[in-house]
Amino acid sequence: QKEVEQNSGPLSVPEGAIASLNCTYSDRGSQSFFWYRQYSGKSPELIMFIYSNGDKEDGRFTAQLNKASQYVSLLIRDSQPSDSATYLCAVEGGSNYKLTFGKGTLLTVNP
Amino acid sequence: DAGVIQSPRHEVTEMGQEVTLRCKPISGHNSLFWYRQTMMRGLELLIYFNNNVPIDDSGMPEDRFSAKMPNASFSTLKIQPSEPRDSAVYFCASSLGGQNEQYFGPGTRLTVT
Repeated sequence: QKEVEQNSGPLSVPEGAIASLNCTYSDRGSQSFFWYRQYSGKSPELIMFIYSNGDKEDGRFTAQLNKASQYVSLLIRDSQPSDSATYLCAVEGGSNYKLTFGKGTLLTVNP
Repeated sequence: DAGVIQSPRHEVTEMGQEVTLRCKPISGHNSLFWYRQTMMRGLELLIYFNNNVPIDDSGMPEDRFSAKMPNASFSTLKIQPSEPRDSAVYFCASSLGGQNEQYFGPGTRLTVT
């Protein structure tokens, strides 16, 4: 059974701070890693994906992957109240395009 | 470009009734996924299709659930008969073959009373 674990939170940070969201996964064969943002009552929205070890930056977002430790994280710099949402980590193993999702971390950015 | 389209957005039905959820994937995408989301279990994959063919239905909870994809632009998820424990938000997502990024529709919120 492939598992993806996330701290459910809530994670509360002040506006302008760095928010750090973490995810671990059980399947060592996993190849692709995704971060989705889900606002309350809305559908998941893809914000980042990473395939290789190291960091990947896109604007205020940085995804970090460490396959040896089976760990992936998302950093949000200069957090804004509009970043308040649940962040879902998703992991794909092998080539069958199936994603396994964590249960998400609720992030609250306080003005 | 239009995203993934789902209908209806909300469905309230009584236990025992048949429910049909509909999905139109993004044009050109050849993989389609049905998910169910609840507070307790999170986002669960029910079934996925590649080139209109069901590839993995291991997430379908029981025989009351069925899904079809008669063509590249349309899929249905049917529950017959429905039960209160089926109440959840059902999402459809699509992706382009060879790429793993999945794009979600707005979801159908199903309430079975």
